[in-house]
Amino acid sequence: DAGVIQSPRHEVTEMGQEVTLRCKPISGHDYLFWYRQTMMRGLELLIYFNNNVPIDDSGMPEDRFSAKMPNASFSTLKIQPSEPRDSAVYFCASSSTSGGSYEQYFGPGTRLTVT
Amino acid sequence: AQSVSQHNHHVILSEAASLELGCNYSYGGTVNLFWYVQYPGQHLQLLLKYFSGDPLVKGIKGFEAEFIKSKFSFNLRKPSVQWSDTAEYFCAVSLSGGYQKVTFGTGTKLQVIP
Repeated sequence: DAGVIQSPRHEVTEMGQEVTLRCKPISGHDYLFWYRQTMMRGLELLIYFNNNVPIDDSGMPEDRFSAKMPNASFSTLKIQPSEPRDSAVYFCASSSTSGGSYEQYFGPGTRLTVT
Repeated sequence: AQSVSQHNHHVILSEAASLELGCNYSYGGTVNLFWYVQYPGQHLQLLLKYFSGDPLVKGIKGFEAEFIKSKFSFNLRKPSVQWSDTAEYFCAVSLSGGYQKVTFGTGTKLQVIP
């Protein structure tokens, strides 16, 4: 398996622009998570899905952030409009309830810089 | 609210020194416990996990962790560190029973000096 795939790996954009981050989870995994990592706040859970349905979005910072999972193999995290304080590394992770593992498999991350 | 505390933000050790990284959690029920590692420029990877049974858990690369329920702790240990262990280490907790949401600690950066 290729693991969790994220694109782009790096994104540099200007304040006010829309940013879309993409994630392809591991095939067969039924949970998908979006995290944000910064020096100041560490690793924060933004939202997670189970079987494509958002379960908990309490970590989404504000209405400028939205996430979708239209099918089991694809999810997006959108920021509109972007602000400099959104600069961070955004990780997607997936996991499976089968086998009771609960291990989350992380993607390589998208490093977002908003100028 | 559930929380995970990692006591040390930055640890510097010489090669062959012993390592212990502290982790305490605050949860009201039965928990699953994890340690993840993030090598420089890479994504998080699972080091080890505890669900039930023997509270002393062995992981990859010679790491182990001990779950002490009475202390709400899950400290990570390694008897002799190597330069390649330089990384950031995250303790994480979730409620057991199929609950998937995991809360991560703020991480401990370990620097091993050759």
